[in-house]
Amino acid sequence: SQTIHQWPATLVQPVGSPLSLECTVEGTSNPNLYWYRQAAGRGLQLLFYSVGIGQISSEVPQNLSASRPQDRQFILSSKKLLLSDSGFYLCAWSGLNEQFFGPGTRLTVL
Amino acid sequence: AQTVTQSQPEMSVQEAETVTLSCTYDTSESNYYLFWYKQPPSRQMILVIRQEAYKQQNATENRFSVNFQKAAKSFSLKISDSQLGDTAMYFCAGAGSYQLTFGKGTKLSVIP
Repeated sequence: SQTIHQWPATLVQPVGSPLSLECTVEGTSNPNLYWYRQAAGRGLQLLFYSVGIGQISSEVPQNLSASRPQDRQFILSSKKLLLSDSGFYLCAWSGLNEQFFGPGTRLTVL
Repeated sequence: AQTVTQSQPEMSVQEAETVTLSCTYDTSESNYYLFWYKQPPSRQMILVIRQEAYKQQNATENRFSVNFQKAAKSFSLKISDSQLGDTAMYFCAGAGSYQLTFGKGTKLSVIP
């Protein structure tokens, strides 16, 4: 069966510091991968998606970037965090249509 | 789906009762999929039920069922015999090319 992992689970970072969130999927090959952000009490905002290694599509201009160095690894990064980057970050994978989500990372930027 | 609208920000239901959450959508695609996701306080997003637009039969998963009205572009979720563990945010979503479009969610509280 497929599983999706995210780490860290929680992160507190100062403004201006770098960021690296990692997502890995097991039990499937060549999945579509997604990064979402969810502000408190709000819906999900799609940040990036990837249909293959090295292929990244960005949905909104922002302070963040994404990379897919391996088939089942998806990384969300920032060189300098902003206060507005705080939120709950979810990684997801899809085979055909539905998406399956990881447990998420709660990021607080102080 | 290109847009997904959930018009009920919050709802509550008594334990063991039935509740229906509303969702409308708009899309230009001829074939698409619709989903309901549940997000409990742990914030894990859990797929509850899926509906393929070309299927006329409404999907059912145990106590969860949908009322899919394709012409009206409506996709409501019915929860029967509500349980305390059903307390969560519920998101309606539609699948387009590579992406899901989510509604803003309905916060459901099940009252003992």
